[in-house]
Amino acid sequence: GAGVSQSPSNKVTEKGKDVELRCDPISGHTALYWYRQSLGQGLEFLIYFQGNSAPDKSGLPSDRFSAERTGGSVSTLTIQRTQQEDSAVYLCASSPTLPSGANVLTFGAGSRLTVL
Amino acid sequence: GNSVTQMEGPVTLSEEAFLTINCTYTATGYPSLFWYVQYPGEGLQLLLKATKADDKGSNKGFEATYRKETTSFHLEKGSVQVSDSAVYFCALGKTSGSRLTFGEGTQLTVNP
Repeated sequence: GAGVSQSPSNKVTEKGKDVELRCDPISGHTALYWYRQSLGQGLEFLIYFQGNSAPDKSGLPSDRFSAERTGGSVSTLTIQRTQQEDSAVYLCASSPTLPSGANVLTFGAGSRLTVL
Repeated sequence: GNSVTQMEGPVTLSEEAFLTINCTYTATGYPSLFWYVQYPGEGLQLLLKATKADDKGSNKGFEATYRKETTSFHLEKGSVQVSDSAVYFCALGKTSGSRLTFGEGTQLTVNP
């Protein structure tokens, strides 16, 4: 597609429920990132996928969070047993892998999660 | 580890005023530096970047110079417009592709 697509754009759930957030990156982009943006906060790194390499999961805040990327394309971020502090905008980004230099990320519009 | 520190906001200016948003970083090696912008209701988008010391990134009248000696990448614009109202994020990334580390963002409001 033309850009990074995320769904749902808005999700309201009850505390304790599981949620899945989807990201469809730009075709051909080998790198995919998940960040979290809480109200009034900066961007918190969650997880990074690069091609077929093992993902960098160092930013996941707890074992309730997991993510997978199937076929090197679409990614799903799963939050189990949601808590109110999980309320945030979850941003996905993708980038090509260039032979040199850090990558320019293209972000999706985000999925706003509200946990009641 | 890598970190980015931005000047605290919010920043409120009148149209045509001069803008500076400070950004300093801590990193090993020679990172690339970025400014991203988030307009109201929109996703983050790249504003400008610089990949090595003394490089100047520029776009839409904004400029930032990669200063290795002061580990800084301050964002400047000579004459802001109302349409520049947004949240600005400084970020750094290592070479060969990796995650970006972002600052906390600076909210800019430009009044007519």
